[in-house]
Amino acid sequence: EVQLVESGGGLVQPGRSLRLSCAASGFTFNDYAMHWVRQAPGKGLEWVSGISWNSGSIGYADSVKGRFTVSRDNAKNSLYLQMNSLRAEDTALYYCAKDIFAVFRGYLDYWGQGTLVTVSS
Amino acid sequence: QSALTQPASVSGSPGQSITISCTGTSSDVGGYNYVSWYQQHPGKAPKLMIYEVGNRPSGVSNRFSGSKSGNTASLTISGLQAEDEADYYCSSYTSSSTWVFGGGTKLTVL
Repeated sequence: EVQLVESGGGLVQPGRSLRLSCAASGFTFNDYAMHWVRQAPGKGLEWVSGISWNSGSIGYADSVKGRFTVSRDNAKNSLYLQMNSLRAEDTALYYCAKDIFAVFRGYLDYWGQGTLVTVSS
Repeated sequence: QSALTQPASVSGSPGQSITISCTGTSSDVGGYNYVSWYQQHPGKAPKLMIYEVGNRPSGVSNRFSGSKSGNTASLTISGLQAEDEADYYCSSYTSSSTWVFGGGTKLTVL
């Protein structure tokens, strides 16, 4: 059974940093691209970042480019999102999601339950 | 990276068919066949319903179908059922090598 478990969310002050993790199991992690998608409370989905199977291709939404860094450790079946210079508008539930392909296609067939990030003073 | 345009809400009675539109530009929906659709029930993670414009993942009912014409993609649900009531989001690859979602459509089954 495919499982994606996010962790690392919490309450953080504006301007500070946070690192999210996603532990994957139930599939061959290094065969697939992975993504982060967020959802602000009561709002729609927003794609945040994606990384190909071998980290050779990485992409970011304009809203987080230069502040967030995505990475993966295939040996540990884990995906990460380093979030710096956090802003109030980054407050959201952050989902880790698996692509159905190794390279970027953005077809997300499995999602975690999300980890909540709240940016507030 | 403007969000794709979806109607805020649609409704239909059980057994009927409904269509949700998703309008973008030639830089996203119109330029690529990398369009997908997601269903999200309240408090749950999204579920992939359609990928690559009109393909259904294994396990998704054939009542769900997708298509595209120009800059507009569409999701059609036939034989509407109570459990189809949910939020639906479209998504597309963009010329900036990113992905963009639609604003979401709330489907109400009357």
